[in-house]
Amino acid sequence: GQSLEQPSEVTAVEGAIVQINCTYQTSGFYGLSWYQQHDGGAPTFLSYNALDGLEETGRFSSFLSRSDSYGYLLLQELQMKDSASYFCAVRDAGNFNKFYFGSGTKLNVKP
Amino acid sequence: NAGVTQTPKFQVLKTGQSMTLQCAQDMNHNSMYWYRQDPGMGLRLIYYSASEGTTDKGEVPNGYNVSRLNKREFSLRLESAAPSQTSVYFCASRPQGARETQYFGPGTRLLVL
Repeated sequence: GQSLEQPSEVTAVEGAIVQINCTYQTSGFYGLSWYQQHDGGAPTFLSYNALDGLEETGRFSSFLSRSDSYGYLLLQELQMKDSASYFCAVRDAGNFNKFYFGSGTKLNVKP
Repeated sequence: NAGVTQTPKFQVLKTGQSMTLQCAQDMNHNSMYWYRQDPGMGLRLIYYSASEGTTDKGEVPNGYNVSRLNKREFSLRLESAAPSQTSVYFCASRPQGARETQYFGPGTRLLVL
């Protein structure tokens, strides 16, 4: 099975940097993905790490360490519009059509 | 290009009633998914369809059935609704080759009384 743990809530100020962690226990997976979801909206794909290391996409970066069963999403130069929930997710190596999501981290950006 | 669409947006049911949630995508994607989202529990996979004509159970399939009507449409049916099925339901699709990217519909908010 797959289990992904995230902090439930994080608060940061506008312009700051925030890191959202995801620790996991899996029986095998292809890589770690991140999704953003605004209140009342649909999840949207942000980034994906297939290999260990850092992937950068504009203000957002994502990191994966398979040896530590750990990943994180790094948001820089925070803006008010970044206030949302962020989910990590894995695709099951035993069944590549099955995805498992963490419980999500609600990010509150304050002025 | 509408992406992934879902109907209805909101629904209130009484315990024991049945209903079908509709999902359609116009992106020619092979794989389609149904998730439910409950407060504090993230997204849980109910059923998925890897391609037209195939469906498989996900993490929480009990109480649900699905139909992959054609490549575009994937419906979710509740035969006898229960209060525990009160949730937000999201449909998603994924193109072949884009291994991790799922595109989600706007969701259906279901309340079972």
